[in-house]
Amino acid sequence: GAGVSQSPSNKVTEKGKDVELRCDPISGHTALYWYRQSLGQGLEFLIYFQGNSAPDKSGLPSDRFSAERTGGSVSTLTIQRTQQEDSAVYLCASSVDIGQGYGYTFGSGTRLTVV
Amino acid sequence: AQSVTQLGSHVSVSEGALVLLRCNYSSSVPPYLFWYVQYPNQGLQLLLKYTTGATLVKGINGFEAEFKKSETSFHLTKPSAHMSDAAEYFCAVSGDSNNDMRFGAGTRLTVKP
Repeated sequence: GAGVSQSPSNKVTEKGKDVELRCDPISGHTALYWYRQSLGQGLEFLIYFQGNSAPDKSGLPSDRFSAERTGGSVSTLTIQRTQQEDSAVYLCASSVDIGQGYGYTFGSGTRLTVV
Repeated sequence: AQSVTQLGSHVSVSEGALVLLRCNYSSSVPPYLFWYVQYPNQGLQLLLKYTTGATLVKGINGFEAEFKKSETSFHLTKPSAHMSDAAEYFCAVSGDSNNDMRFGAGTRLTVKP
């Protein structure tokens, strides 16, 4: 597509429920990234994919968080047993490839509210 | 590893005044440096980037930034602020692989009429 698409744009969920956040990157972009932006905070790096592979998962806040990418395209970030501290804007970005100073193209984010 | 420090979480300028947003970085390898802008309820948009070559880089909307290795800085400037420049600005640094791009905490720019 023309840009990075994220869905849903807004999600309100009850504490303890599972949620899935979707990211559809720019067609042909090999690299895909997930960040979390909490109110008044900067961007917290969560995970990146090169193709379908996620070489480093150490940025995920806890084992309740997982992510996958299939077909080198769409990625899903899953949060299990959501907690109130998970409330944030989750941003996805894609890039032509890893390295060489490629800039990122960001989606508009998913605003997650856990009540 | 890389890190970024943005000096000033809030900057306020008058319309037509100079905009200066400060960014200092730390990197153990030659850095790639970026400035992104985020408008309300939107994702981040790339303003400009430095990879190699000319140290003064020009971006969209009249912004520019200068890479100063001796000062480990990459400050963002614009000669004359416009109301539409009001937004959050993020400085970012990466090394020789994009998987380690790190962002600063952001600077919120307010433009007064």
